[in-house]
Amino acid sequence: AQRVTQPEKLLSVFKGAPVELKCNYSYSGSPELFWYVQYSRQRLQLLLRHISRESIKGFTADLNKGETSFHLKKPFAQEEDSAMYYCALRGNRDDKIIFGKGTRLHILP
Amino acid sequence: SAVISQKPSRDICQRGTSLTIQCQVDSQVTMMFWYRQQPGQSLTLIATANQGSEATYESGFVIDKFPISRPNLTFSTLTVSNMSPEDSSIYLCSVFWGGTEAFFGQGTRLTVV
Repeated sequence: AQRVTQPEKLLSVFKGAPVELKCNYSYSGSPELFWYVQYSRQRLQLLLRHISRESIKGFTADLNKGETSFHLKKPFAQEEDSAMYYCALRGNRDDKIIFGKGTRLHILP
Repeated sequence: SAVISQKPSRDICQRGTSLTIQCQVDSQVTMMFWYRQQPGQSLTLIATANQGSEATYESGFVIDKFPISRPNLTFSTLTVSNMSPEDSSIYLCSVFWGGTEAFFGQGTRLTVV
């Protein structure tokens, strides 16, 4: 069965400190993995996807197939990073997206 | 990108009544997805709506409770029927665009009293 697990509901990090939001997945094939972000009073939007191998707003995420993980990282947190972050999985190109429960990131001044 | 408009943005409804949520996309898309986001919870997929065929419902969701229409490639509706307070949630419409990126509506915040 497809499943996405985000073990932390809330993560508080001081400004300037490193950030790591954990995500583990369960899928029998080769999924596409995503991170979505929802800032306060804004709609859900794509942050990054594993196939792009890009860095967006200083965030990166590496797909580790051996550990079935897709952790989101940023070396130096900024106050504007405070938001709700969702890890998501898509099994096939035409298939639905399954979301994890989300982690609220709170950047402390 | 795809621009998605949802109506209404919020509503307060009496238990036992029904509410129909509309989702309009500025481009033609094959599949549209309806999600529910209960307070403090993640997004849960309700169903996938394809134009010209019946919607595909996820486990725990049935057509009688959440009937969906998909009359064309840019529009869909989700009805929440015979509402109870447990249906209070944010309902989101989503589409894929550009192959892999999902875009979301702003959501419909439903409160059932």
